[in-house]
Amino acid sequence: DARVTQTPRHKVTEMGQEVTMRCQPILGHNTVFWYRQTMMQGLELLAYFRNRAPLDDSGMPKDRFSAEMPDATLATLKIQPSEPRDSAVYFCASGWTGQGGQPQHFGDGTRLSIL
Amino acid sequence: RKEVEQDPGPFNVPEGATVAFNCTYSNSASQSFFWYRQDCRKEPKLLMSVYSSGNEDGRFTAQLNRASQYISLLIRDSKLSDSATYLCVVGRYSGAGSYQLTFGKGTKLSVIP
Repeated sequence: DARVTQTPRHKVTEMGQEVTMRCQPILGHNTVFWYRQTMMQGLELLAYFRNRAPLDDSGMPKDRFSAEMPDATLATLKIQPSEPRDSAVYFCASGWTGQGGQPQHFGDGTRLSIL
Repeated sequence: RKEVEQDPGPFNVPEGATVAFNCTYSNSASQSFFWYRQDCRKEPKLLMSVYSSGNEDGRFTAQLNRASQYISLLIRDSKLSDSATYLCVVGRYSGAGSYQLTFGKGTKLSVIP
């Protein structure tokens, strides 16, 4: 089965450090999403790419978060500087958004702890 | 009002029971509907799509009422392995050809031996 691959699976670092999370979407999918999940907020959409172009990053704190898709096989989410409130599970998902809408397939997530 | 609302539960049911989850959505322009399942410390996984005419997949039945903006999931003959959080998910196209899924916070189900 094709899968979305995320790295690292776990990350523990001190506040102020830069954190980079990576995602390899499923080959052939044209959309990539970054989500953050916490107990309090549930799943929140941070950023969304379609055909590698950023379409929506309104859910992302822009002063410290940035999302890029340098090629079709790699999406990155970067936090600089990190803060304890950024501790969460970050999921990448990919899908195909042609006519009718399709579900998304999630990676295993990156469990981020900022001390 | 949240775009997708679910009863958080938890629902604690004995094995073999039938359990139903409900979900409401606020945006009438929503076009696609799904139920996802998320196990503890795992990623969300698609359980089933929800079609206007209602659809069934084994022990699982999903219903959609567009007039009431209401989605349901029925699980018959519950198994221990059904214990998970069930996420109601709504998709729609917004401006500039953007398509997004909005996730409910989920309903937690525990099936008890």
